[in-house]
Amino acid sequence: AQRVTQPEKLLSVFKGAPVELKCNYSYSGSPELFWYVQYSRQRLQLLLRHISRESIKGFTADLNKGETSFHLKKPFAQEEDSAMYYCALSSYSGNTPLVFGKGTRLSVIA
Amino acid sequence: GAVVSQHPSWVICKSGTSVKIECRSLDFQATTMFWYRQFPKQSLMLMATSNEGSKATYEQGVEKDKFLINHASLTLSTLTVTSAHPEDSSFYICSARDPSGRLQETQYFGPGTRLLVL
Repeated sequence: AQRVTQPEKLLSVFKGAPVELKCNYSYSGSPELFWYVQYSRQRLQLLLRHISRESIKGFTADLNKGETSFHLKKPFAQEEDSAMYYCALSSYSGNTPLVFGKGTRLSVIA
Repeated sequence: GAVVSQHPSWVICKSGTSVKIECRSLDFQATTMFWYRQFPKQSLMLMATSNEGSKATYEQGVEKDKFLINHASLTLSTLTVTSAHPEDSSFYICSARDPSGRLQETQYFGPGTRLLVL
């Protein structure tokens, strides 16, 4: 069964501290992994996807197939990073929907 | 980036009435759209997959007669909550996928529609 697990509901860090938002998944096959972000009163938007292997707003995420993880990291948190973060997966093929984790609220304290 | 709109952004209705929510892809054609539901402080739960020109595919536990989905064109999908009850109060979000692969994102999300049933 497809499942995305984000173990932390809330993560509070101080400004300038490193951030790691955890995400583990279960999927039979090769999924495509994403991180979405939802800022206060805004729509859900894509932050990054594992196939692009890029850094967005200082965030990176590496797919670890052995550990079935896709943790989101940033070396130095900023106040504007405070938001709700969702890890999600989908199949590479066809018009398959996203399966979301429950989300982690990141709060960056000044 | 691509834009997906939803209308209305919020609606209050009486119990027993029906409410229609529209989801539009504004600058691309979407053969597939998805409808999600989000309860306060919870994640998005997929309700159904809307396919242009064919019947929607509903997730287990979602009543197809309760949540009517119509995907009449490549840019519009509608979700109608029929005979709404207070427990249907929620945040409904649609997303649209660009099948051409031209766009970077897999899915683009609408801003959501907040439904309150009194």
